[in-house]
Amino acid sequence: EAQVTQNPRYLITVTGKKLTVTCSQNMNHEYMSWYRQDPGLGLRQIYYSMNVEVTDKGDVPEGYKVSRKEKRNFPLILESPSPNQTSLYFCASSSYETRTDTQYFGPGTRLTVL
Amino acid sequence: SQKIEQNSEALNIQEGKTATLTCNYTNYSPAYLQWYRQDPGRGPVFLLLIRENEKEKRKERLKVTFDTTLKQSLFHITASQPADSATYLCALDQDSSYKLIFGSGTRLLVRP
Repeated sequence: EAQVTQNPRYLITVTGKKLTVTCSQNMNHEYMSWYRQDPGLGLRQIYYSMNVEVTDKGDVPEGYKVSRKEKRNFPLILESPSPNQTSLYFCASSSYETRTDTQYFGPGTRLTVL
Repeated sequence: SQKIEQNSEALNIQEGKTATLTCNYTNYSPAYLQWYRQDPGRGPVFLLLIRENEKEKRKERLKVTFDTTLKQSLFHITASQPADSATYLCALDQDSSYKLIFGSGTRLLVRP
């Protein structure tokens, strides 16, 4: 089954404790992206990756890091989480072949930073 | 500045009626527009895509129109069902940059 998986699905942590949210896709997609979703603000892009070892900032990259060492994986790293990073996070992927950027989303990770 | 607007108020309709959702944008010239469905706590799911040179697209009970002069897309669900209750997001490409910009969504409630 074609899918994007994220782990963990729920996470409660404390300020300053480094964490990583994993994302993996099995569709051989080149493009992967991380979004955060907050009430009233919609989906905002954090980082994206056009291919292995190619990453770039989205609209709200501050406080986040990413890496793309393998095509299927795109982890999101919070080196020193703060309460304003409490949010619902989505990973997504898409293929260049369609030339339409249709995004396939993971199930989401709900993060709470105390 | 670039902006995508969807009605933030929930749309409440009776089962069997047609739901019509609106997506307006400014300062964009998108090559295409997409509509997604999102259920609470879940990731958005792609529904339909319409290109700038298409006026209308249909898929089963769904219909999307795209008016590049008005800078507006309308999303219709005919013969609506309670199972159609969800939030619907529109998204535009940003200058063919492989980057989608999403609206904040409109919540649809279909009463039995």
